[in-house]
Amino acid sequence: DQQVKQNSPSLSVQEGRISILNCDYTNSMFDYFLWYKKYPAEGPTFLISISSIKDKNEDGRFTVFLNKSAKHLSLHIVPSQPGDSAVYFCAAPEGWGNEKLTFGTGTRLTIIP
Amino acid sequence: NAGVTQTPKFQVLKTGQSMTLQCAQDMNHNSMYWYRQDPGMGLRLIYYSASEGTTDKGEVPNGYNVSRLNKREFSLRLESAAPSQTSVYFCASSEARFRDTEAFFGQGTRLTVV
Repeated sequence: DQQVKQNSPSLSVQEGRISILNCDYTNSMFDYFLWYKKYPAEGPTFLISISSIKDKNEDGRFTVFLNKSAKHLSLHIVPSQPGDSAVYFCAAPEGWGNEKLTFGTGTRLTIIP
Repeated sequence: NAGVTQTPKFQVLKTGQSMTLQCAQDMNHNSMYWYRQDPGMGLRLIYYSASEGTTDKGEVPNGYNVSRLNKREFSLRLESAAPSQTSVYFCASSEARFRDTEAFFGQGTRLTVV
């Protein structure tokens, strides 16, 4: 059973516009969430995270929003740039101390010049 | 600044062959992980090691074994490769708590079993 879900396998956005990537989770014990970005033939790299005590975290062009009641988070990229074209994974750690990181299935973002 | 290094980058195996995927990190991290990435499945945890000398099963451990050789190295072994194990494998490391810091990933090993 997928505890972290990304229901959109792909998304295309015009350069300069806003990209919104969505993620839903089912485990109410999750209290921290991370977004990773992955380019082809490379490993994922950390992008941004958010704790459940916050509803928003911002880092430059990237903002993550968390709606705990809906068990939903979203990643906003403004403005979108061609270098943002990648696969984006949301993830959540299970447990405490010896965490296992559970990933969503990923969304492939394509920025159209 | 090597980070997490995986070898080999590519491998083709015949069904039934065995091989070991090597992983080493130079960040003095306690925790190390092996994931596999398949189309439409995201990254799934195979095994992890919270500290030197300990290993635990993840979501998809069947057909694999691991060894945490020392703090730096965490290897993944396929004893008898099957076509279902065709995948891209990623090793990662982190401090014990993801809430404090992120995981760092290697570049991956693309394995094809024919």
